[in-house]
Amino acid sequence: SQQGEEDPQALSIQEGENATMNCSYKTSINNLQWYRQNSGRGLVHLILIRSNEREKHSGRLRVTLDTSKKSSSLLITASRAADTASYFCATELNAGGTSYGKLTFGQGTILTVHP
Amino acid sequence: DSGVTQTPKHLITATGQRVTLRCSPRSGDLSVYWYQQSLDQGLQFLIQYYNGEERAKGNILERFSAQQFPDLHSELNLSSLELGDSALYFCASSVGPGPKYFGPGTRLTVT
Repeated sequence: SQQGEEDPQALSIQEGENATMNCSYKTSINNLQWYRQNSGRGLVHLILIRSNEREKHSGRLRVTLDTSKKSSSLLITASRAADTASYFCATELNAGGTSYGKLTFGQGTILTVHP
Repeated sequence: DSGVTQTPKHLITATGQRVTLRCSPRSGDLSVYWYQQSLDQGLQFLIQYYNGEERAKGNILERFSAQQFPDLHSELNLSSLELGDSALYFCASSVGPGPKYFGPGTRLTVT
């Protein structure tokens, strides 16, 4: 079963605009990660934010985490046509349980960036 | 290139058959994870191995099994295949918690 929900399910923007994707989850987590998937290809890790962090940046990516609301957002600034892909959030649960290390994915957001 | 390899890339087989998917993790990674991706179920965790031992199990069907060998490569065996088993199967590896490195996947089509 999926850990959480992502919205929007699909997002269509013009090159140069910012894209924001949201993710909600249900249980206490160790960290939350964002992955990108080009059509039918393998997933690529983008960024990881730990449960004790509130914001993280990597290049044009900005991730926020609100553990009180069990939600995260991924912002891609100055988007490019090459950013067109599906984006997934994934949660890694707290250490000590049998689920330690495994990821639970959201349903993903399909981002289309028009040139 | 993630460093994780999966074979074969594509597999077409008939209902009732058995197939084996193979995964070689990144050098040094002890954990291997298997995921199934389909349009209706999304990305579903199947099973995790760590250094040869089963570590965690997800919603893996009884018809499916996996193992990790001493050289750390892993195989996912799918038997008595049904149409609904058609999906992308991904293997991922990691040293431990944190980022996972995904292979390119095996696309299984059951006819």
